[in-house]
Parts: sequence; C-alpha cells; structure tokens
Amino acid sequence: QLVLTQSPSASASLGASVKLTCTLSSGHSSYAIAWHQQQPEKGPRYLMKLNSDGSHSKGDGIPDRFSGSSSGAERYLTISSLQSEDEADYYCQTWGTGPHVVFGGGTKLTVL
Amino acid sequence: EVQLVESGGGLVKPGGSLRLSCAASGFTFSSYSMNWVRQAPGKGLEWVSSISSSSSYIYYADSVKGRFTISRDNAKNSLYLQMNSLRAEDTAVYYCARAEWLLSYPMDFDYWGQGTLVTVSS
Repeated sequence: QLVLTQSPSASASLGASVKLTCTLSSGHSSYAIAWHQQQPEKGPRYLMKLNSDGSHSKGDGIPDRFSGSSSGAERYLTISSLQSEDEADYYCQTWGTGPHVVFGGGTKLTVL
Repeated sequence: EVQLVESGGGLVKPGGSLRLSCAASGFTFSSYSMNWVRQAPGKGLEWVSSISSSSSYIYYADSVKGRFTISRDNAKNSLYLQMNSLRAEDTAVYYCARAEWLLSYPMDFDYWGQGTLVTVSS
C-alpha cells in the first residue's frame, strides 16, 4: 500500500533553515512526489515535483529559498532564510496504482 | 494565468445531494487531468477523485465510491462533482486541482482552486 509519512510538526527560527521530511512506504522508494504549501485559511499552493534522484522542478513563482532533495525512500523540502509567511502546513503527494493519489498527513511549520 | 474557481458548495442535509463545479481558464483544459481534493475542518488533504483529459479514466477514493460522480465538459472548460447520499463526514472544503497524466493516473497537482465549503448537517 502506497503511504506517505510526515512528522506532524516542525519549528525553526526566523532567518534560519528547516528541512521537512516525507517518507515513502516500503517498496515505493523510486516514486516521485510533490510538495504543497498551505498557508492559514488559504488553498494549497504547489511548490515542486521531486524525483527519486533529487532532481526537482518548481512551480511558478516559487522562490529559490525552497529546494528539494532525496535519499532512499525519504523526500526532503528545505526552506532557507525562513520568513514569517513560510509558517504554514506542508503536504507531500504522490501517485501510482491503487490508491491513485496519496497525500501525507502534513507538517505544521512554526516560524519562531 | 491559470485559474481554477470552484462553486456550488453550501449546507445540505444528510442523505442530500450537491453538485460542485470548477471553472478553468488560462490553459488548454482538454490537455490536463482534473482532480478533486477535500479537507475536513482541522484535518489534512484527502484525495477524492480524478478524471483524465478525455474522461477515459476515472478514479475515486473508497470513501466516496458509489456516491460521488466526477465529470468534465471540455467545451465549457469545466469540471464537476456530483455528490449524492451525503454524510456528515463529507463536510469539508472541496478543491479542484490540475495535473498532468502519466500512463493511467494523474501526477503532481500543479494548480489549485481556492475551494468551496460543503457542510452536511441536519
């Protein structure tokens, strides 16, 4: 069964960097994922598609502060030079055969 | 500019029906798969349904299978979700999202609408 696992929460200081993790279930370590940001009271916003080799393609207007990387079944989203507007929920998403689309449970990022 | 605008949400009694719409603009609608995702109050994102560009492939989450029907009208650049036999647990904000298609399923959701709220309550 295709499952994505995320830590429920993370925090980092203004101006610092943070690395969020999304873990693919066993047997699915070659899968690409997408990262989405959801600021409070807003709809989700696409950040990037992240492949198993760490290559990624970002969505329109996504700042260079957002980057992705991969290691085995882990997919990472790194946000550098944290700003207050980065305080949001971050979701990973993947796709495949049954279920066809899967979201992780989301990570709530607090900027201190 | 890609725009997705949902409409049709509202308050409905358990067992009732509702039809959501998503109006698309700024891209060639007929070239992309379209998808519905929902978010219950205070909860995470839950995939609901996907439809390929020509409607050849349609998929549903188990939680809505047999009750919801996804459709699209490429001539009108519109996506729909017919929701029947609604339950309290269907209460959520419903988002439409665009995705490219790989083989037989959608890929990353690269544009999202702002959502429409569906409340199922007596």
